[in-house]
Parts: sequence; C-alpha cells; structure tokens
Amino acid sequence: DIVMTQSPDSLAVSLGERATINCKSSQSLFSSSNNKNNLVWYQQKPGQPPKLLIYGASTRESGVPDRFSGSGSGTDFTLTISSLQAEDVAVYYCRQYYTIPVTFGQGTRLEIK
Amino acid sequence: EVQLVESGGSLVQPGGSLRLSCAASESTVNGHWMHWVRQAPGKGLEWVSVIKNDGSSTIYADSVKGRFTTSRDNARNTVYLQMNRLRVEDTAVYYCTTLGAGNINDYWGQGTLVTVDS
Repeated sequence: DIVMTQSPDSLAVSLGERATINCKSSQSLFSSSNNKNNLVWYQQKPGQPPKLLIYGASTRESGVPDRFSGSGSGTDFTLTISSLQAEDVAVYYCRQYYTIPVTFGQGTRLEIK
Repeated sequence: EVQLVESGGSLVQPGGSLRLSCAASESTVNGHWMHWVRQAPGKGLEWVSVIKNDGSSTIYADSVKGRFTTSRDNARNTVYLQMNRLRVEDTAVYYCTTLGAGNINDYWGQGTLVTVDS
C-alpha cells in the first residue's frame, strides 16, 4: 500500500498570511498514462464530508478560490493557501488515486494564530 | 448535482451486523465505481471498499476483508455495505463517495454513524 505522510500535523497561521501543508507518498504518484500526478487535496470542516480542492496535484476544482494552490510531483506535494481567511480553518487531507487501496494522509489541522 | 444519502447507521453490539445503504439522486452514479470511506470520531479518513460500476468486482481494505461486503443495485441507484462481526474499532462515520478527480466528479454523502459498543 502507498503510505501518505502529511506535515505538520497542525498549523497555526495569522489571518492574511501564507499556510503551507506538505504531503509525501511512499512511491511516485506520477502516471505516464495521463501525464499527471494522481493526488488530490481535501478540506474538511466539522460535521461535513471532505470537499475537493485540488486534483492532479495542481489543478483547482471549479469554484475553489485561487488562494488555494497545489504543487509538487512524484512523491512530494504541497498545498498552499496564499492569504489565510477565517473560513479556511479546517483539517486538510491529501489522497492518492494512483492505485487501490486508496490512501489518505493523516490530516493537517489548520487554525488561526 | 448528484446527492448521495447514507442510512442504516446505529448502535450495535460487538459481533453484530449492520447494513448501510447509499441512495443516489440520479442514475448517473451508476457509471461510477463507488467507494465507502470511514472516519472514526476525531480521527482521519480511512478507505474501506470499492465496487465497480457494474458490480462485477469489489476490493476491500485489509481491516474489513472477510467481514464487510459491498454490493449495488443500479436499478435502485443504491450501494450497500453489509458489515458482519463488527468490532469496537469499526465505530465511525461511514461515507459513500465516488472519490473523484479530474474528469470524475467527487461526490460524498453526509455520512451515517455506526457505533459498536456493548
């Protein structure tokens, strides 16, 4: 199974500042069949299911604010929130869809400093 | 927008059984592989199972293999998760989802809570 490891486990950032969350996979998620990295990022707020933010490691889902961006390739990926807003307080997860079993990172809790 | 609605969660004793259902608002989900993902209280997301769009193939996490069975009835736009020999550690909110990305839409239900406790 592909192991997904996020860092840090929790993060406190001031409003308007940048937040960076990392995700590392135990093997490459790059697929030559679609020339993409098979990784997504989710945002989950209490009592709600996860919401898809980014797919293909760097493509924003429709309707997601452009302060959210994803980068990385192979085994190392980053979710960046360029200017933190109060509504961004949540837990963020990465997930690989390179192979089954699907695996998630353990989550990163983002709070306001 | 497709809606997924899970039902069937409840309190059950260890060793007991439960069947969860996931009803879709549209038949478009019949073209999707459907997954179950669970989340224990205060914990992260754990993938449980997947069923192919025509129901011909299923795959399970090691933690539930041999105890859980997923099936679907495309005529009813419904996916099921039969859970047998339940353990305390199966306590979680269970979500059904398409686990989409890119050209596959990512739909999730609101989840149904399963509590295994004596």
